[in-house]
Amino acid sequence: EIVMTQSPATLSVSPGERATLSCRASQSLGSNLAWYQQRPGQAPRLLIYGASTRAKRVPDRFTGSGSGTEFTLTISSLLSEDFAVYYCQQYNDWPHTLGQGTKVDLK
Amino acid sequence: QVQLVQSGAEVKKPGASVRISCEAFVYTFPAYYIHWVRQAPGQGLEWVGWINPDTGDTQYVQKFQGRVTMTTAKSINTAYMELRNLKSDDSATYYCGRGVQGFGDLWGQGTLVTVSS
Repeated sequence: EIVMTQSPATLSVSPGERATLSCRASQSLGSNLAWYQQRPGQAPRLLIYGASTRAKRVPDRFTGSGSGTEFTLTISSLLSEDFAVYYCQQYNDWPHTLGQGTKVDLK
Repeated sequence: QVQLVQSGAEVKKPGASVRISCEAFVYTFPAYYIHWVRQAPGQGLEWVGWINPDTGDTQYVQKFQGRVTMTTAKSINTAYMELRNLKSDDSATYYCGRGVQGFGDLWGQGTLVTVSS
């Protein structure tokens, strides 16, 4: 099973600042990686797939990058609605696995 | 509006079974897989498995093999997940998601399952 490791566990950021979230895979994924946002009490929301393709209606302040085993989600200028937990998920191999999440909270 | 709508919260005793439904609206139901994931309280997301509504093919995460069954009813655009022999650590919110390749691009609102004696 591919292990996904996200860092940091918590990221404290001020509105308007940039946030950089990391995700590492225990094996190469190519570009078969997705990012989700989950706000409290809500379902996951797809942000990025194919490591760098934004899903429909996702603002361009969200950028995914990376390939192989190292991936990054960058939020260029945080808005209040971006404070949430972010998960990376690999779909290169079964079972699909997710990281433990990075919580982006208010500094 | 394109959406997945799940059935309501359930409270079950240990050893019982639960069946959760997931109804699809305003898209071609057989064209997309349905993935199921779960989230224990305060924890991260965990994949349970997927079903191809067109063929009925399924794949389950090994830890759930033998306890989970995923089915669909194409005539009513609905997917189901049954989990049997429930344990307290099965208490979680279960989400269905519309599958594109291996990720979910649209998710249901979640169904809270509480297992308690």
